[in-house]
Order: sequence, then structure tokens, then C-alpha cells
Amino acid sequence: ELKVEQNPLFLSMQEGKNYTIYCNYSTTSDRLYWYRQDPGKSLESLFVLLSNGAVKQEGRLMASLDTKARLSTLHITAAVHDLSATYFCAVDMFTQGGSEKLVFGKGTKLTVNP
Amino acid sequence: DSGVTQTPKHLITATGQRVTLRCSPRSGDLSVYWYQQSLDQGLQFLIQYYNGEERAKGNILERFSAQQFPDLHSELNLSSLELGDSALYFCASSEFAGQGVPEAFFGQGTRLTVV
Repeated sequence: ELKVEQNPLFLSMQEGKNYTIYCNYSTTSDRLYWYRQDPGKSLESLFVLLSNGAVKQEGRLMASLDTKARLSTLHITAAVHDLSATYFCAVDMFTQGGSEKLVFGKGTKLTVNP
Repeated sequence: DSGVTQTPKHLITATGQRVTLRCSPRSGDLSVYWYQQSLDQGLQFLIQYYNGEERAKGNILERFSAQQFPDLHSELNLSSLELGDSALYFCASSEFAGQGVPEAFFGQGTRLTVV
């Protein structure tokens, strides 16, 4: 069974600082997703990483994927308060029936303080 | 707005009751996924339908069932409800099943409270 582990689970940081969230997964997969969730809200797709070495950037967030290490990172540059949210990584798992499902990590709750 | 519509947004019901959650996928999406989000279990995959057929099952209890109709909307039926079923239930849709890039778009969720 595929396991997805994120760390840290809670992250409190100051505005202007940099930090990285890590996502490790237990079995081979070439596709990894990052989502953002605001309290009580839906999940917003941030990045879709499709291959080893993939790197994507949007504003102050940059995501990368190393399929050999089974590791993805979400790097936050010069954090601002608006980035406060819970961030989930999810890994694509193919089932026996040939379909797929997303297996999510527990999420990283990020709080950016002034 | 992801284009995925879920109703109702909130539901409060008593233990032992049965409820139905509804999901309309994005236009053109054939796959519908149901997820349960609770504080202790996190986001758990329940079930997936593709073009009306069940394609994958996750941690779905026997008291729960789902279906996808010819117009591609889906319903999740929860019966004999227990306090522990209180959670946020998300529906997501994607264009593909088992091929291509299954980027899933999530609805706003239905918050179920069992009292």
C-alpha cells in the first residue's frame, strides 16, 4: 500500500523567510501533485509534476520531483501572510483495475506571521 | 471556481439516518472521485466512477455506496450514520481514467455533522 509522508506537519514562519516542505512516498510513481487548502475550503491544485527532475514555479512557490529518491519538495521563498494555508502532496497510484487514485499526505499547516 | 459542484454544502443529521450527497463534475470530465476528510484520518479516497462504472474502491465502508448516472453526476449515499462519519466529503472530477494526466479538480465539499 502506497504511503505518503509529509514533513513538517506544522510550520510557523516569519514573513520574508524561506522554507521547504518535504513529501516522501513509498512506491514507484511518476506523478505527484501539490494542493492548497484554506480552512473549511476546497483543495486548489497548485502543481502537477509528471517526471523525474520536474520543477515548476508559481510566484513564491516552487515544486520539484525526484522519482528515484521518491521525494518531492515545495519551496517557499520570501513568505507572505497570504501563503498561510494547509498544503497537501498527493501521489498517483494505479489500481489493479487500471484506474488511478490519489493518495494524500497528512498535509502541512503553514502559518506565516508578520 | 473548479467547475465541480457539490450539494448540499452543509448537512446535519442524527445517528442512524441516511443521507445523499450529490456531485456534478466539470463539463467533459468522465471520472468522479469521492474523498472523506476528517481530522484523524486526513484525506481518504473512497471510490471512483468512470463514465458510469465503478473503477476503483478505497476505504469505503459497507454502509456507504455511490453511483454515477448517465448525465455523469454522482451521488454518495451514507446510511446508518454514526458520530464518526462526521467529516468533510469532497468530490473531484478529471477527464481521464487510467491514462493521460488525471489532474483532479475538487468541489467545495459537503460538511456532514452527525449528532
